[in-house]
Amino acid sequence: GEDVEQSLFLSVREGDSSVINCTYTDSSSTYLYWYKQEPGAGLQLLTYIFSNMDMKQDQRLTVLLNKKDKHLSLRIADTQTGDSAIYFCAENPPQGGKLIFGQGTELSVKP
Amino acid sequence: EPEVTQTPSHQVTQMGQEVILRCVPISNHLYFYWYRQILGQKVEFLVSFYNNEISEKSEIFDDQFSVERPDGSNFTLKIRSTKLEDSAMYFCASISPGTYEQYFGPGTRLTVT
Repeated sequence: GEDVEQSLFLSVREGDSSVINCTYTDSSSTYLYWYKQEPGAGLQLLTYIFSNMDMKQDQRLTVLLNKKDKHLSLRIADTQTGDSAIYFCAENPPQGGKLIFGQGTELSVKP
Repeated sequence: EPEVTQTPSHQVTQMGQEVILRCVPISNHLYFYWYRQILGQKVEFLVSFYNNEISEKSEIFDDQFSVERPDGSNFTLKIRSTKLEDSAMYFCASISPGTYEQYFGPGTRLTVT
């Protein structure tokens, strides 16, 4: 069945790069997403990538997709304390628009 | 910038009571969704809605749940007889037409006592 896995925690120093990893099981997923959730807030769409792409860059964010290994990563360059949040990976199976989420990675940025 | 809004932000109810969670999707969006997140667990899909009918639902979405779009703006989730295990954060989402960008509301925290 469909499943998405992420590591639970990541701690980095301000100014470093952060890399958050995700694996998924449905090789036919059409789109893969990254969402950010700050404390007490909803899910903010950060970026998404179509499954026939390897990479997408958007300012400080770089998404890498390895379709063969079903591995997705989000790199945040020059990480700031304001980037501290929970980051969710999600896949979009081909039938319908529902999203299947990972459990979220809590990013802690230390000054 | 248009946003998905949800009310109330927090709802406390007694077991067995009916609750209605309300959402106002972004105005030109056509596909609508409800998800829930039990504390400490993954965000789970409940139901999708398009053209005034359910297009897909999960196993969680049993007969106790229903959705409605009573007018051109609101999208509601009703739980007929709440159980303790319905306590969760409920998120509404909608998709921008012609894209796969799914935007989420801030959520309603439902506490069943």
